[in-house]
Amino acid sequence: DAGITQSPRHKVTETGTPVTLRCHQTENHRYMYWYRQDPGHGLRLIHYSYGVKDTDKGEVSDGYSVSRSKTEDFLLTLESATSSQTSVYFCAISENDRDYGYTFGSGTRLTVV
Amino acid sequence: QKEVEQNSGPLSVPEGAIASLNCTYSDRGSQSFFWYRQYSGKSPELIMFIYSNGDKEDGRFTAQLNKASQYVSLLIRDSQPSDSATYLCAVKSGDSSYKLIFGSGTRLLVRP
Repeated sequence: DAGITQSPRHKVTETGTPVTLRCHQTENHRYMYWYRQDPGHGLRLIHYSYGVKDTDKGEVSDGYSVSRSKTEDFLLTLESATSSQTSVYFCAISENDRDYGYTFGSGTRLTVV
Repeated sequence: QKEVEQNSGPLSVPEGAIASLNCTYSDRGSQSFFWYRQYSGKSPELIMFIYSNGDKEDGRFTAQLNKASQYVSLLIRDSQPSDSATYLCAVKSGDSSYKLIFGSGTRLLVRP
């Protein structure tokens, strides 16, 4: 997707290991979001950021942490991966206004074995 | 808990028909409403947004909003097989976080 890149695209990791997913944007948008998508649950918000070093929790934040040291980068860390965190993770960006939706990255498919 | 509800489907329509997708939401303070299309294995893409009561048309797509009933719908006219996808309804929260709350999506199948 134009202006937003997620890495890696696919990852397999073992239970108990830390994992970091990266979201990089070139749009200079203030707001960035991490969602996970699971069958039957739709997209659920994990964490979001409203500026450099400004982050807050979403509805499913347990077991996850985030950092945003630069406008363009938003990192999601699974502190100790569990099988329940096997999912597709999407990063999204938006303008700081009600009139705009989100632009999504291509997603990261994470499998925890 | 603010919620957005959608019928999971699948909604099956013949090619050329009108597909009607529905969504209800619980937060009366919501101001902005969005429809996303998601093809299998792909990321969601924005197709329509609406802020005011009534209808908004964009090509073959019409979004309808009724804030009193807390109801949003998407009509797709002259449905094509390429419209087969999951359609996600999203509602932007009324607070300053600008978070989008998503429904779980309705799967649409357009039969040739």
